[in-house]
Amino acid sequence: DVKVTQSSRYLVKRTGEKVFLECVQDMDHENMFWYRQDPGLGLRLIYFSYDVKMKEKGDIPEGYSVSREKKERFSLILESASTNQTSMYLCASSLTRGGGKTEAFFGQGTRLTVV
Amino acid sequence: AQTVTQSQPEMSVQEAETVTLSCTYDTSESDYYLFWYKQPPSRQMILVIRQEAYKQQNATENRFSVNFQKAAKSFSLKISDSQLGDAAMYFCAYRRYNNNDMRFGAGTRLTVKP
Repeated sequence: DVKVTQSSRYLVKRTGEKVFLECVQDMDHENMFWYRQDPGLGLRLIYFSYDVKMKEKGDIPEGYSVSREKKERFSLILESASTNQTSMYLCASSLTRGGGKTEAFFGQGTRLTVV
Repeated sequence: AQTVTQSQPEMSVQEAETVTLSCTYDTSESDYYLFWYKQPPSRQMILVIRQEAYKQQNATENRFSVNFQKAAKSFSLKISDSQLGDAAMYFCAYRRYNNNDMRFGAGTRLTVKP
């Protein structure tokens, strides 16, 4: 089974801190994603990566950056955390196409609170 | 940009009954994929069912089935013989065939009453 692991389930950080959310997948997937989940808004795409060192902005990239130095690892960085970034963050991975495996596989989520 | 709309923020169903969750989407593409995901209180997103747009036959997975109306851009999920374990947030998602990112709706919270 595909496994997507996020480094923390819960995280509390202070305003202005630099925050790293880490995600690792073990199925050699090309694509990795970071979503933010808020009540009433569903999942909104922050960034995704389709290859090592490649990244594309999603719908809400402001205040975030990402890093993908190895195929299995995709990091989300909050350069200077703010209270409006308090949210649930979900990492996902997927194959580029085909083989019937076209869906995304998700990690268990990180609930980040910025105080 | 493609958008996915789930117009029912909350739904409830009696155990053993049937419930239908609605989803509409907006796209100019002809080839794409549609998905329903379930998110229980554990927060782990689980794929329930997928549909390829080029397939006319509606997908079915045990008690879960979809009604895919391509012309109407509608993709509803029917849950038959509802069980207490079906209680969760359900998200509809769209992915373009030649693209990698998925777009999600706002979700529907399903409550199952014993």
